[in-house]
Amino acid sequence: GAGVSQSPRYKVAKRGQDVALRCDPISGHVSLFWYQQALGQGPEFLTYFQNEAQLDKSGLPSDRFFAERPEGSVSTLKIQRTQQEDSAVYLCASSLSRSSGELFFGEGSRLTVL
Amino acid sequence: KQEVTQIPAALSVPEGENLVLNCSFTDSAIYNLQWFRQDPGKGLTSLLLIQSSQREQTSGRLNASLDKSSGRSTLYIAASQPGDSATYLCAVVGGADGLTFGKGTHLIIQP
Repeated sequence: GAGVSQSPRYKVAKRGQDVALRCDPISGHVSLFWYQQALGQGPEFLTYFQNEAQLDKSGLPSDRFFAERPEGSVSTLKIQRTQQEDSAVYLCASSLSRSSGELFFGEGSRLTVL
Repeated sequence: KQEVTQIPAALSVPEGENLVLNCSFTDSAIYNLQWFRQDPGKGLTSLLLIQSSQREQTSGRLNASLDKSSGRSTLYIAASQPGDSATYLCAVVGGADGLTFGKGTHLIIQP
């Protein structure tokens, strides 16, 4: 596609529900990143994929967070048993390579947990 | 652990002024530095990417410089316009820390 596409754009969940957020990166981009952005803050790293391999998940805040990219293209970030502190914008970005590639971001998925 | 600091946190200037946004980072072992713009409720738009071997990049009214040894970058905006109002984020890519963002500078250009 022309850019990074994320869905849904907005999600309201009741505390305890599971949610799944989807990212469709730019075609051919090897690297895919997930970030969490709280209101008024810069994005915080969650996890990184190179093709289908999850090479870094050090930023995932708890074991309730899980990400996958099974075929090396579309990625899904899943949050189980959502808590109010999970409310944030979840941003996906892709690049041709991790070290030198320009990052392109999607519009984000805004999650509100009630 | 890499830390990125952006100064000022907020800035409001009249239209037409030239302005400088500052970014500093603690670990100079970086691959590149990227400046982004973020409009309210939107994702991040890449403005300029500076590789570690480069000193500056220019795009239109924007000029970004990089001094890796001192851990600093500046984003210079010439002849500011109301449409430049947004949050500007600096991010560095380096080693095991991946890409680290600053908290951003919230810029308002007064018409």
